[in-house]
Amino acid sequence: DQQVKQNSPSLSVQEGRISILNCDYTNSMFDYFLWYKKYPAEGPTFLISISSIKDKNEDGRFTVFLNKSAKHLSLHIVPSQPGDSAVYFCAASAPSNTGNQFYFGTGTSLTVIP
Amino acid sequence: DTGVSQNPRHKITKRGQNVTFRCDPISEHNRLYWYRQTLGQGPEFLTYFQNEAQLEKSRLLSDRFSAERPKGSFSTLEIQRTEQGDSAMYLCASSFPGWGYTFGSGTRLTVV
Repeated sequence: DQQVKQNSPSLSVQEGRISILNCDYTNSMFDYFLWYKKYPAEGPTFLISISSIKDKNEDGRFTVFLNKSAKHLSLHIVPSQPGDSAVYFCAASAPSNTGNQFYFGTGTSLTVIP
Repeated sequence: DTGVSQNPRHKITKRGQNVTFRCDPISEHNRLYWYRQTLGQGPEFLTYFQNEAQLEKSRLLSDRFSAERPKGSFSTLEIQRTEQGDSAMYLCASSFPGWGYTFGSGTRLTVV
């Protein structure tokens, strides 16, 4: 049962343009969301987070938007650069007394074309 | 301390053999996680430690899998009697409570 879904396996964007990566989730208990970037042969690298008390978080070229009613979040990269080419995973967690297990989407492979 | 370290980076083993992976987390992090990632999928949770206590185990962690964190620092993940379906990238991550993870580079296991 995939609780976090990234329905676009790949995305190609021209350098300098905006990249928009989308993520949907099904569990209304999720209250903390992350985006990770992964290069081949490396582990995922934390990019940006957002908690459910916010609807937007910005860090440099990266902005994450959260629409709780739609159970949807998106990552905007502006302007896109060739070095942004990677696989992007969104992840979500729910409050837990023991740990904060994250549920990951299947990833979107972004290619930024110079 | 430069991050989460995993060894080995790659492991090729014959079906039926036992393998053990090691993870050294960021020293200040008391939480340690093991995830497994197969091709085309996102990381899937396996197990979680807070200090030396193993507090959560996924149903993905069959009886052939065992994880330890004996002194609350490094952790090992052992797979006994490996099967071809165990071939995957095994990721370790560590964190402070309430924060996102820092992942290691992973151990890629190939069972032939």
